[in-house]
Amino acid sequence: GEDVEQSLFLSVREGDSSVINCTYTDSSSTYLYWYKQEPGAGLQLLTYIFSNMDMKQDQRLTVLLNKKDKHLSLRIADTQTGDSAIYFCAELTDSWGKLQFGAGTQVVVTP
Amino acid sequence: DGGITQSPKYLFRKEGQNVTLSCEQNLNHDAMYWYRQDPGQGLRLIYYSQIVNDFQKGDIAEGYSVSREKKESFPLTVTSAQKNPTAFYLCASSPGTGGGAETQYFGPGTRLLVL
Repeated sequence: GEDVEQSLFLSVREGDSSVINCTYTDSSSTYLYWYKQEPGAGLQLLTYIFSNMDMKQDQRLTVLLNKKDKHLSLRIADTQTGDSAIYFCAELTDSWGKLQFGAGTQVVVTP
Repeated sequence: DGGITQSPKYLFRKEGQNVTLSCEQNLNHDAMYWYRQDPGQGLRLIYYSQIVNDFQKGDIAEGYSVSREKKESFPLTVTSAQKNPTAFYLCASSPGTGGGAETQYFGPGTRLLVL
């Protein structure tokens, strides 16, 4: 099974906040990432957090990291229809750059 | 305009045929990666290269081959030994490895279909 787990689907109303959750298993991970994938496209890097941080904010995006529970979340404030996509979390599991990805969370924004 | 380009966008393979997917980057990144994405699944690593003329197998290398003769290019060949090649293939690159330089940036992908 996946070392990184995410819920598969999230439906949110336009203007509300979205929270996408992720759990990982490697306590030695140094960096954790959030990527966004629109239909038929590659992955777009949204943000990342270093393991010695608890929170990182970047405009509408807030990343929270709970190292004790190995839990990562991405909050999108004021969700827009353009935020509809698949969101992947990934952990850096090796010093040379190996990423372990979750299966992705499909976010659907409804008017 | 820096970035990662992949071509073609769509590729069709006949039974028993080898096909090559192109990946080029002009970001001056040392490391490059190939991933496979199947519907409803996360990305799985096929091959990676930390430096020119060197590459290593990832988690699902069987039926694939790569070369890294130039820093900016990392082509992937899907051989006839790969029995289930239909997937979306993504190329990525990172500035380096270690010391925070591992952040990977992705190309637009190539969708491979079997006729």
